[in-house]
Order: sequence, then C-alpha cells, then structure tokens
Amino acid sequence: DQQVKQNSPSLSVQEGRISILNCDYTNSMFDYFLWYKKYPAEGPTFLISISSIKDKNEDGRFTVFLNKSAKHLSLHIVPSQPGDSAVYFCAASAYSGAGSYQLTFGKGTKLSVIP
Amino acid sequence: EAGVAQSPRYKIIEKRQSVAFWCNPISGHATLYWYQQILGQGPKLLIQFQNNGVVDDSQLPKDRFSAERLKGVDSTLKIQPAKLEDSAVYLCASSFSLNTEAFFGQGTRLTVV
Repeated sequence: DQQVKQNSPSLSVQEGRISILNCDYTNSMFDYFLWYKKYPAEGPTFLISISSIKDKNEDGRFTVFLNKSAKHLSLHIVPSQPGDSAVYFCAASAYSGAGSYQLTFGKGTKLSVIP
Repeated sequence: EAGVAQSPRYKIIEKRQSVAFWCNPISGHATLYWYQQILGQGPKLLIQFQNNGVVDDSQLPKDRFSAERLKGVDSTLKIQPAKLEDSAVYLCASSFSLNTEAFFGQGTRLTVV
C-alpha cells in the first residue's frame, strides 16, 4: 500500500523552463511534507518543506504547493538548470505514536534538464 | 558543519554472512534514522532513535536486523544472517528533533551474493 505516490518516473525539461514534479498521498494524517534531491552515489539532500497549515512555500527557484483537499503537492523549479538534474523524492510525515513521526517516501522522479 | 558520516561505502558479502554498518550523525542531532533503499524505490524507514532510545522499529525485520545507539550518538546496524533480498543501499539520517527535516549520509551499498 503506497501512501506517497510519484506517478512520473522521469521528466525532461529544457534549461530555463519550468520543471513541475508532482506527488499524491493517501494518508490524511500526513501533516508535514518534504522534497529531497538525490544525485547518483549520494544520499538524499533536503530541498524544501511545507507544513499542512500552509499551501505554498518558496525558497529561491524552488516552490512547493500543497492542495490538501486533493491530497496533492507539487514542486516547481524556475528556471530549471542542468545542475538540477537528479532524482527528486517526495516525502510525508505523520505521527505514528509513542512520540514517533514516520517519514514515508515516494519512489522518486528522475529530472533531466537539457541544456 | 560536518554531515552525517557512514561507513563502509560499499560491502559485498555472501548470503548467510553477517554485516555491520556504522553511522555518526550531525553533532547535536537527537534523532537518528536508518533507512533501506532498494533499487527503484524510495527509502523505507527501518528504525528511529530519539537519543539512545528506540521510538519506532515497526518495519525492522527483527529476526535478522538489529541496531543500537549507545550513548545517544553513533549507531550501528547489523544484519545476521544476510539474505539476497537485503541487497540495497542503507542510509543513515539525523535530525535536530522529531518531525524536522532529516539530513542523510551517503549510504552504504550492500550486495549479497
């Protein structure tokens, strides 16, 4: 049962254009959402997050949008750069009891930014 | 600021052998996680520590996997005996507290043959 879904395994975008990565979730208890970027042979790197009390969070070229009614979030990268080429993971956090918050990851979307 | 350190980077073992991974979290981070990432999948949480106590090990296969975090700093993850399906990247992460962003190490790529 996949609670966090990234339905696009890959995405190709021209340099300078907008990249939009999508993520859907099923667990209504998720209250904190994060995006991670991963280069080959490295661990995931935290990119940006959003709390469920917000619908938008912006950090430089990266903006995350949250639509709670649709259980959907997206990451916008504007403008896209070749260095943004990586696998992007969507993750969601929910309280799992006994003082624990469990982070659940999607399968990732491989973004390729073409020069 | 030094990141999360893990060793070894790569390990190849035969099935039924044992293996151990080591993690040193970011200084001051109370929460430490071990994740398993199988090829083509997202990371899956195995165990979560808050200081030196386990707060979530519901997805840890306890018949073969064990982990400890003595003194609330470094941690080791052990697999004994290993199976072919344990081939994966094992990621350690730490965060300042519960429900804050986690920072990952480079991971240990385990191949069981």
